[in-house]
Amino acid sequence: TQLLEQSPQFLSIQEGENLTVYCNSSSVFSSLQWYRQEPGEGPVLLVTVVTGGEVKKLKRLTFQFGDARKDSSLHITAAQPGDTGLYLCAVAYSGAGSYQLTFGKGTKLSVIP
Amino acid sequence: DAMVIQNPRYQVTQFGKPVTLSCSQTLNHNVMYWYQQKSSQAPKLLFHYYDKDFNNEADTPDNFQSRRPNTSFCFLDIRSPGLGDAAMYLCATSRDLHSQYEQYFGPGTRLTVT
Repeated sequence: TQLLEQSPQFLSIQEGENLTVYCNSSSVFSSLQWYRQEPGEGPVLLVTVVTGGEVKKLKRLTFQFGDARKDSSLHITAAQPGDTGLYLCAVAYSGAGSYQLTFGKGTKLSVIP
Repeated sequence: DAMVIQNPRYQVTQFGKPVTLSCSQTLNHNVMYWYQQKSSQAPKLLFHYYDKDFNNEADTPDNFQSRRPNTSFCFLDIRSPGLGDAAMYLCATSRDLHSQYEQYFGPGTRLTVT
């Protein structure tokens, strides 16, 4: 079973539209990260959310961490072609000398000019 | 700019022919990671180095090895690549081993096995 479930898996929209993608789990996390990965590149960290109910804004991107810290959403306002990419959520845990990021499978977003 | 560099960006190898992928960092971070990402899948951690200490994930095949000769460089060796090892290989670094420290990813090396 997948620790993090992301939906939708694929999303194709027109430039200027708004969209929301989701990252859900049955587990509680102390923090959650969102990355964007462009084709042929490595993931780039967008934001880390740590407090239940927290909302963070990054220009046209709004990230929310669920009150119970089990889920998160990413809302993009007025999408641009430059927003095209794979959006990955990830949770980090550390213990016994190990620190691992576990990723969801991602939402592949295409913004059509 | 401080960064994580991976060479080559694209690598083609033959079935069973050993191949080495390279990662270097100018961030002076203590931890370096190798992830494998197959098409339409999430990155999967193979192993990491904390300084010189090597930590292998339990399900990483023995075919995959790593070396870290110094703080800046880390190598991924695939001893006998199979067709199933074709993937994007991502190197990442973090300052230390704790969830508060962000991971910084390189651009990846796309490996093709013929």
